[in-house]
This record gives sequence, structure tokens and C-alpha cells, in this order.
Amino acid sequence: NAGVMQNPRHLVRRRGQEARLRCSPMKGHSHVYWYRQLPEEGLKFMVYLQKENIIDESGMPKERFSAEFPKEGPSILRIQQVVRGDSAAYFCASSPGQGLNIQYFGAGTRLSVL
Amino acid sequence: DAKTTQPNSMESNEEEPVHLPCNHSTISGTDYIHWYRQLPSQGPEYVIHGLTSNVNNRMASLAIAEDRKSSTLILHRATLRDAAVYYCILKMVGAGNMLTFGGGTRLMVKP
Repeated sequence: NAGVMQNPRHLVRRRGQEARLRCSPMKGHSHVYWYRQLPEEGLKFMVYLQKENIIDESGMPKERFSAEFPKEGPSILRIQQVVRGDSAAYFCASSPGQGLNIQYFGAGTRLSVL
Repeated sequence: DAKTTQPNSMESNEEEPVHLPCNHSTISGTDYIHWYRQLPSQGPEYVIHGLTSNVNNRMASLAIAEDRKSSTLILHRATLRDAAVYYCILKMVGAGNMLTFGGGTRLMVKP
């Protein structure tokens, strides 16, 4: 049973470009969470999605960031017009949505903005 | 979620037990105590969780104080691979609750 898969592992973008981060949850998991870890800082929650629905986006920056989890395919975190301050590690987690709902994390995507 | 307090860092010798403390004096009756760890350059990894009783699994043991205001993660024999940041997190049962990570404890293991 494959774990949470994130790609790419490393992404380099120039200021003003778009960044697309992908996350495939564990098999059987219907809930996806995105977290961001800025350099030398802790992990911060960004957004929580179920299939085709955004449930909680209280941690998402108000502009340039969006997330989706379509009926088919991976969850996507999109950052438009990236700035240097977006450089961070972005982690995706998935959970079954039942019971204690333990979250299982991917290895992350490290975004560098030049 | 109620707040947790952990030491910034701890050191251990390889092959020795490690006790990682966590204080959570404002814990509510519905909060589970979760522990995750983050190895260098990796995503967080679930370690163990508990509510009231002590818990054991293949990775660690969790000792919970009788009043639930503190808990201790126990690694019975630390290895170099256990060097990581360990996070103690309180979380209510439910599908939607995100994890609130604090600063955690950075565990260093000496050979």
C-alpha cells in the first residue's frame, strides 16, 4: 500500500511564475491536508479538502494560493505569481476520514523561488 | 486546540532509553494526545496516540499522567535513526481537525 505521494520533490521557479504541487493520498483516504514549513519554522496548516470540496481553508494566504481535490486525480496546490517568500517545504497529508483520523504525510515538495 | 509545552532540545546516547516530556495543562476531556516526529528533510511521521491509558506500539510507548496534564513519549532504545523533531499534539476526534504543530523537541542521539 503506497504512502502519500507528492511530486515534484523539488521545484524551482522564478518570481512571477506559477507553481503546481501535486499530492496523491494513500489508497482509501478521502481527506487531504496541506501544510507549509518555512525555513527554520514549524509546520503551519493551510487547507483541508475532501473530494471536490474545500472544507477548511483558514490557513491559506488570501491571494495567489488555491487548492483543489478533483473527483479523479491528485490534489493540487497552486501558487500563482510566486515570490521569494513562498520558498518553503509544502507537505501533504491524507487521512481516512473516520475514527481517530490519523494523518499520514508525504515527503514534501521543496519550492525554491529565484 | 489546547496548547502543549515541550523542551526545545534533548540529547541521548545511542542504545539508551529516552523520555520526551510534554505538558498540556489545559487539555480537555475529548482531546487525544498525539505524537508525530519529523526526521531531517522528511515529512512528519505518526508515532503514537493515547487518551487516558498508557499505550505501546512497535515504535514507542506513551505514558499519560493520571490527571492528563502531562505525558511522556518513551523510546526504549534510541538509535541514530531516531534523531528527529518530536511533536506532541492535542487533537479532538473528528474528521476535520487539522494538526497544530508547536516547536517540538529536537532529539539528538550520540553514538
